[in-house]
Amino acid sequence: EPEVTQTPSHQVTQMGQEVILRCVPISNHLYFYWYRQILGQKVEFLVSFYNNEISEKSEIFDDQFSVERPDGSNFTLKIRSTKLEDSAMYFCATEGDGSYEQYFGPGTRLTVT
Amino acid sequence: AQSVTQLDSHVSVSEGTPVLLRCNYSSSYSPSLFWYVQHPNKGLQLLLKYTSAATLVKGINGFEAEFKKSETSFHLTKPSAHMSDAAEYFCVVSEMDSSYKLIFGSGTRLLVRP
Repeated sequence: EPEVTQTPSHQVTQMGQEVILRCVPISNHLYFYWYRQILGQKVEFLVSFYNNEISEKSEIFDDQFSVERPDGSNFTLKIRSTKLEDSAMYFCATEGDGSYEQYFGPGTRLTVT
Repeated sequence: AQSVTQLDSHVSVSEGTPVLLRCNYSSSYSPSLFWYVQHPNKGLQLLLKYTSAATLVKGINGFEAEFKKSETSFHLTKPSAHMSDAAEYFCVVSEMDSSYKLIFGSGTRLLVRP
């Protein structure tokens, strides 16, 4: 069964550093999403991406965040200057087979020290 | 704006007894509703979905949910709990009018006692 993969599984970084989280979507999926889950809190929507552009973003997704598909396969989330409060589990999700189902990757745990 | 309320943060049942996880939603449109499960240190797995077809939806691992528009509810049930069902369960609504983003409830942690 096809699946969404994410790398790295765990990233530790110092405050102020840039991080890039990577996602490989299911082949032929067209809609891509990033969500995050701060420890002990609910899963929150960050951004949706379709046809090589952002279709919607949340208030959390400020100028420090960006997304792109650099090579037509990977889907990345970049945080330019990390803050302590960016520590969370980041999930990539993809959809595109008309089922309205979003398939989630296993997540990247980001720890900012 | 759409929202989801999960009425219980924790539910504890004995193995072999029924499971009921409650969820109420608020939506201006015909919603799509989902239940996802998250096992410890794992990703999110779709249990079942409702997208305006049959109101009683069957999912994986014996779970099912019933969409009740009059009560704006989408409760998750299972006739007989198994130890492996212990996990965090999220009720989710999709905004079908925009980017199909998912809005998650706060989650219910299911504990299954032997």
